Amino acid sequence: GAVVSQHPSRVICKSGTSVKIECRSLDFQATTMFWYRQFPKQSLMLMATSNEGSKATYEQGVEKDKFLINHASLTLSTLTVTSAHPEDSSFYICSASTVTGELFFGEGSRLTVL
Amino acid sequence: GEDVEQSLFLSVREGDSSVINCTYTDSSSTYLYWYKQEPGAGLQLLTYIFSNMDMKQDQRLTVLLNKKDKHLSLRIADTQTGDSAIYFCAERRDDYKLSFGAGTTVTVRA
Repeated sequence: GAVVSQHPSRVICKSGTSVKIECRSLDFQATTMFWYRQFPKQSLMLMATSNEGSKATYEQGVEKDKFLINHASLTLSTLTVTSAHPEDSSFYICSASTVTGELFFGEGSRLTVL
Repeated sequence: GEDVEQSLFLSVREGDSSVINCTYTDSSSTYLYWYKQEPGAGLQLLTYIFSNMDMKQDQRLTVLLNKKDKHLSLRIADTQTGDSAIYFCAERRDDYKLSFGAGTTVTVRA
């Protein structure tokens, strides 16, 4: 089946620094990518929808300047957590949609901000 | 409030069947999904059902959909220790966005 790769799988950073997480569709072109955030023992919360070549659409309550999303190509979307703080520590998961609407998820990236 | 609701915990004996229930609210949902998440890992798609279907079976997995009651269930036959995980049901909206339940933690005991 289709594969979505996320990198890094784990990252620890100091408060105030920025962290970039990559989401790649390895064997298909992803017209749309989604970024989710998962708090411990909770469900996934959709943060934003990213379409290649256009600005991301953010869900209500998600800070656009805090979570920068770039979808520069049909196989790569990036999420940058800017000026990270401990409350940004979470599990971030991306999913990629094929042209037929099938969704595939990455393995997730665990961010810990000290 | 939650659009998709699930019970939070299920404990089952190895070899028995597990049944995980889910209710959703959006009657226009086209697809309903079941995902499995093991500790520290991403989501693995287990199965999905189209909204015009009542049942789908795939090896040990059986999905039942009651569209009138907006109720979805996942039955795992002959549950094994490797089935211990969190199971999420999700509904897909017209814009391809998924709305997830809180997840059901399934614990398989010997």
